[in-house]
Amino acid sequence: AQSVTQLDSQVPVFEEAPVELRCNYSSSVSVYLFWYVQYPNQGLQLLLKYLSGSTLVKGINGFEAEFNKSQTSFHLRKPSVHISDTAEYFCAVRAASGGSYIPTFGRGTSLIVHP
Amino acid sequence: EAGVAQSPRYKIIEKRQSVAFWCNPISGHATLYWYQQILGQGPKLLIQFQNNGVVDDSQLPKDRFSAERLKGVDSTLKIQPAKLEDSAVYLCASSLTSGDNEQFFGPGTRLTVL
Repeated sequence: AQSVTQLDSQVPVFEEAPVELRCNYSSSVSVYLFWYVQYPNQGLQLLLKYLSGSTLVKGINGFEAEFNKSQTSFHLRKPSVHISDTAEYFCAVRAASGGSYIPTFGRGTSLIVHP
Repeated sequence: EAGVAQSPRYKIIEKRQSVAFWCNPISGHATLYWYQQILGQGPKLLIQFQNNGVVDDSQLPKDRFSAERLKGVDSTLKIQPAKLEDSAVYLCASSLTSGDNEQFFGPGTRLTVL
């Protein structure tokens, strides 16, 4: 089974500042990793995913994440945030093979961008 | 391309009442998922369909929850009778296949049980 820990429930930041949202996972098998964004009263939207290859993954809206196998982390970063980035962000993990293909989600991190 | 549609968007009921949610996935998507998202938590899978068959319903509370996807397209999720702890957002998602790496989510139905 896989599990995901999002270490921060809330991250306040000022507009145009950089941000990092932390995600750690545990799994006994190799994994795929995902970041989703959820705007108020909307469903989840895929930001980016790591399947294989380069450990630095670029996604939509200027976000990127780095897969670190030794630290079992997949932190999300953006060099300069906008007010419109205010949303809930979810990290998710699923087995690449030999396990359940159903993603396990973290509890979410609320990114609050102040003007 | 139309996204995943869900209705109603909001529902308020009293405990012990029944409620049903409807989901229409993206056209051509064989796999459909129902998730429960309790406030402050990430989504938790309730049930996964591949066409009109159930692939995984291990986390569905079968004494009160049921779901069907009779024609392999749209789906309904029912709760009967509802409990206070069922208050949550119910998200429907779909993907091309069960192994597909991207799920597309609907806007959800926010259920409040009083």
